[in-house]
Amino acid sequence: NAGVMQNPRHLVRRRGQEARLRCSPMKGHSHVYWYRQLPEEGLKFMVYLQKENIIDESGMPKERFSAEFPKEGPSILRIQQVVRGDSAAYFCASSPASKDEQYFGPGTRLTVT
Amino acid sequence: AQSVTQLDSQVPVFEEAPVELRCNYSSSVSVYLFWYVQYPNQGLQLLLKYLSGSTLVKGINGFEAEFNKSQTSFHLRKPSVHISDTAEYFCAVRRGRSGGGADGLTFGKGTHLIIQP
Repeated sequence: NAGVMQNPRHLVRRRGQEARLRCSPMKGHSHVYWYRQLPEEGLKFMVYLQKENIIDESGMPKERFSAEFPKEGPSILRIQQVVRGDSAAYFCASSPASKDEQYFGPGTRLTVT
Repeated sequence: AQSVTQLDSQVPVFEEAPVELRCNYSSSVSVYLFWYVQYPNQGLQLLLKYLSGSTLVKGINGFEAEFNKSQTSFHLRKPSVHISDTAEYFCAVRRGRSGGGADGLTFGKGTHLIIQP
């Protein structure tokens, strides 16, 4: 059973470009969570999704950030018009149900130049 | 809302010595508690979790933690560390089943465990 997969592992974008981060949950998991890890800080919750639904986006910046988890395919975290402050590691986690243990992917390290 | 405080940003320890990494939390509802380990440039791996029951929880790699409700603490311990334990350790909380609401984890800022030969 493959773990949570994230791609790309490293992403470089110039200021103003769009970044798309993908997360494929573990097989049988229908709950996906996105977290951001800024340098010298812990992980901060961003958004929680189930298939085709955003359940909790209380940690998402109000502008430029969006997330989806379609019926088919991976979950996507999209950042429009990236700025240097968006440079961080973005982690995805999945679980089979809402209160179960979350399994983390290896992360995508976004660098904005 | 919940919050997590990891009191030490860095803990240097000699190999084969015991270690304790401290974690305190605050929450107005019941919570689940977790310790994760992050090796350089990797994702997080669950070390152990407290959901209910016995307050002493044993995890992988010889780690254990004790939940203390009165002190709102969940300190991580290992009786004898190895060089391979060098990593970043994160304490996290999440609302329990009776807590309702969001399921996202709230993390502490992490403790860097440095094992010295």
